[in-house]
Amino acid sequence: KQEVTQIPAALSVPEGENLVLNCSFTDSAIYNLQWFRQDPGKGLTSLLLIQSSQREQTSGRLNASLDKSSGRSTLYIAASQPGDSATYLCAVTSNSNSGYALNFGKGTSLLVTP
Amino acid sequence: GAGVSQSPSNKVTEKGKDVELRCDPISGHTALYWYRQSLGQGLEFLIYFQGNSAPDKSGLPSDRFSAERTGGSVSTLTIQRTQQEDSAVYLCASSNGGGTNTQYFGPGTRLTVL
Repeated sequence: KQEVTQIPAALSVPEGENLVLNCSFTDSAIYNLQWFRQDPGKGLTSLLLIQSSQREQTSGRLNASLDKSSGRSTLYIAASQPGDSATYLCAVTSNSNSGYALNFGKGTSLLVTP
Repeated sequence: GAGVSQSPSNKVTEKGKDVELRCDPISGHTALYWYRQSLGQGLEFLIYFQGNSAPDKSGLPSDRFSAERTGGSVSTLTIQRTQQEDSAVYLCASSNGGGTNTQYFGPGTRLTVL
């Protein structure tokens, strides 16, 4: 059974810092990996989708990498801003998932202080 | 175009009552997913539809939960005889199907069972 772990569970940084969020998964036979953002009381916003054949994806200040063989992904946020404060969720789709459903980690709660 | 919508956004009910939650996916998306996010827990997959068919219902927590999808579009998740442990945010997502496509999430329905 696929297990997804995110470290750290919570992170507080001053504005302007670069930061890295980590995600690991136990079954490397994945189709893709997605990073989501969730604001309090809101749904999920997809940030980046990395296909299993890809090594990284970039969008603005965000860069996500994937090392499928070691079961790891990182989300790099450059020059963090208070508006980046949210919970960041990592999720994978793998062969063992019914209908390509997503397996989620429990998230990293990020606070960027002014 | 419109994203995934869910209704109601909030539902408060008494223990033992039945509730219906509705999801309107993105037009043309063949796959539809229901997830549940309980306080302090990660996102848990419940059920998915490919077209109107739900091939795997094993993710539903109990036989009090059922779901249907009609016309390859709208889906309803029904919880009968609600219990306090059913209190959670219920999220719906849709995609073009397959393992390589992004899932787009609705804002969720927050269910509180008193």
